[in-house]
Amino acid sequence: QVQLQESGPGLVKPSETLSLTCTVSGDSISNGDYYWSWIRQPPGRGLEWIGYIYYSGSTYYNPSLRHRITISLDTSKNHFSLNLTSVTAADTAFYFCAREALGGRIDPWGQGTLVTVSS
Amino acid sequence: DIVMTQSPDSLAVSLGERATIDCKSSQSVLYSSNNKHNLAWFQQKPGQPPKLLISWASTRESGVPDRFTGSGSGTDFTLTISSLQAEDVAVYYCQQYYSTPYTFGQGTKLEIK
Repeated sequence: QVQLQESGPGLVKPSETLSLTCTVSGDSISNGDYYWSWIRQPPGRGLEWIGYIYYSGSTYYNPSLRHRITISLDTSKNHFSLNLTSVTAADTAFYFCAREALGGRIDPWGQGTLVTVSS
Repeated sequence: DIVMTQSPDSLAVSLGERATIDCKSSQSVLYSSNNKHNLAWFQQKPGQPPKLLISWASTRESGVPDRFTGSGSGTDFTLTISSLQAEDVAVYYCQQYYSTPYTFGQGTKLEIK
């Protein structure tokens, strides 16, 4: 059974960098059948797809966030990471990592982690 | 970006009755190479991540009760719950995975009347 677990600071100061890691168990992030994705959800609001990384290191980022995002992976630790720079209160959200099939199905998801941007 | 619009925003249905949620995409999400619609439905309960219910517009995921049915084509899609159960109270989202950036509908909150 594939499981994903997000980890990282729950509080980030404005203008600083948000950094999260997603640890995968039950599958290898070197599996060429999948992308590894990040999605976020401001509290009480809808879902925004952030982007994904492929085992080769190729990435696709949502243009709305492209200039602030980096997604990377570490195959030796079987995890992938999200960095979001220059955060503001608008970046306060639950951040989910997920596995995305090459056809686009997003499943499963991690439990999510709340990141609050505040001084 | 493809805009996904759901209706209604909220819905109250009696136990055992039918619930219907609509989703409209701003352009077709039909993938010509396999003649399938790249449209998914998710269920999200409080404090939980979204759960994939239906992919390819009408393919029920393993373990999803058969009271959940996805239908539609082109730009208009529907999620139907044939006989509402208490455990179906949740927010439901449609999502297109036809083109990046993938986009979600705004969500429909389903409650018991």
